[in-house]
Formats: sequence, C-alpha cells, structure tokens
Amino acid sequence: AQSVTQLDSQVPVFEEAPVELRCNYSSSVSVYLFWYVQYPNQGLQLLLKYLSGSTLVKSINGFEAEFNKSQTSFHLRKPSVHISDTAEYFCAVSGNTGGFKTIFGAGTRLFVKA
Amino acid sequence: DGGITQSPKYLFRKEGQNVTLSCEQNLNHDAMYWYRQDPGQGLRLIYYSQIVNDFQKGDIAEGYSVSREKKESFPLTVTSAQKNPTAFYLCASSGMGQGNTEAFFGQGTRLTVV
Repeated sequence: AQSVTQLDSQVPVFEEAPVELRCNYSSSVSVYLFWYVQYPNQGLQLLLKYLSGSTLVKSINGFEAEFNKSQTSFHLRKPSVHISDTAEYFCAVSGNTGGFKTIFGAGTRLFVKA
Repeated sequence: DGGITQSPKYLFRKEGQNVTLSCEQNLNHDAMYWYRQDPGQGLRLIYYSQIVNDFQKGDIAEGYSVSREKKESFPLTVTSAQKNPTAFYLCASSGMGQGNTEAFFGQGTRLTVV
C-alpha cells in the first residue's frame, strides 16, 4: 500500500521569499513521484515529476523537488515566489511497475503575500 | 488537442434527483478516475477503472455509480442516496505502463444541491 503525507495544510509567505512545501510518502514498492498545482475552480496540472535518474527535478516556472529515498521525501522548493504562485499544491505517488493508481496527499495551500 | 473533458462545468441538482457527470478522454489511457474535492480535504477517490467494463470502488463510493462501456468515457452518477453531494468533482485519466502513470485532469464539475 502507498500513502502520501503533506505536512503543512497552509503556507503563507511573502513575495520574493523562498518556500518549501513538504511531502513524505510510504510505499512497499519503488515509486514515481509527482507535484500538481491547482488554481481556484480548475483541475490539477502537473508541475513536475520524478520517474528515475537524477533525483533533482525542475519545472519551467522555477520550482524544483528532490527525491530522497532514505528519507522517503519529495519536498517542493522555490527560491523566490511570486503572487501568481498562490495556489494549492498536491504531492502524489504511484508504483513504478505499472498498474497502480495514483495516491494524492491532502494538499498544501500556498498563499503569497505582497 | 489531446485531453480530458468534463461537462458541465456547473450543475445544480434538486434533492432526491440523480445527476450524471460526463468525462471523456482522447489520450488513449486505460485508467480513469473520479475524485471528490471538498474545502480542506484534498482529493478523495470515488471510483476508478483500469479496463473497459470493469471498475472498482474507491474510498467514498457510497451514493455514486459509474460505468465504463467505452475506453474514452467514464460517466459518474450522483444518486439520491448521496446525502451531501455538493462538492467539486474531478475526473482524471492515466496510462498504466512503466513511466506512464502521470494523471491528467479535467477542469472539474461543481455540483450544488438546491
């Protein structure tokens, strides 16, 4: 069985400050890991993903996440946030041998203040 | 354009009525999912299907029904047995092979009981 824990339900931060959204997972098999972003009244969009290879993965809008197998974590970071980054962020995991459904965390609401 | 389409975007239901939410995908994905989203509760899995004519209950299936007669379609019926149906409903699809489990989401349907 797999599970995902997002340790913070809300993260307020000032514009241009750094931010880290924390995610831990548990799984009995090797995994793929994802971060999704959701803007109000919209579906989820994939932000970045880890499948294999380099443990540091990056998105086109400045977010990055590092897969840490020993700590079973996949924290999301951005060195300088913008007002437009205000959204809800979901961490997710699926087994990497195929046939597994994706399990989502409860979400972290990032609120960027001016 | 490939993608996943939910309709309608907004839906109003009178108490005691059944309503059906549409979800169509042209991504040739084997797996499809329905999630319910309530404020502060993240995504909760209602039903999922990994193959045509087969589906499994998720965590909160009571009061809902689904069908999977075609690979591209996975409609969700919210029945009168669902006591608190007002919520945001999200449909998703994914592949099931190695490296292919990323979930793609529709834009959601907001259901309100009046």
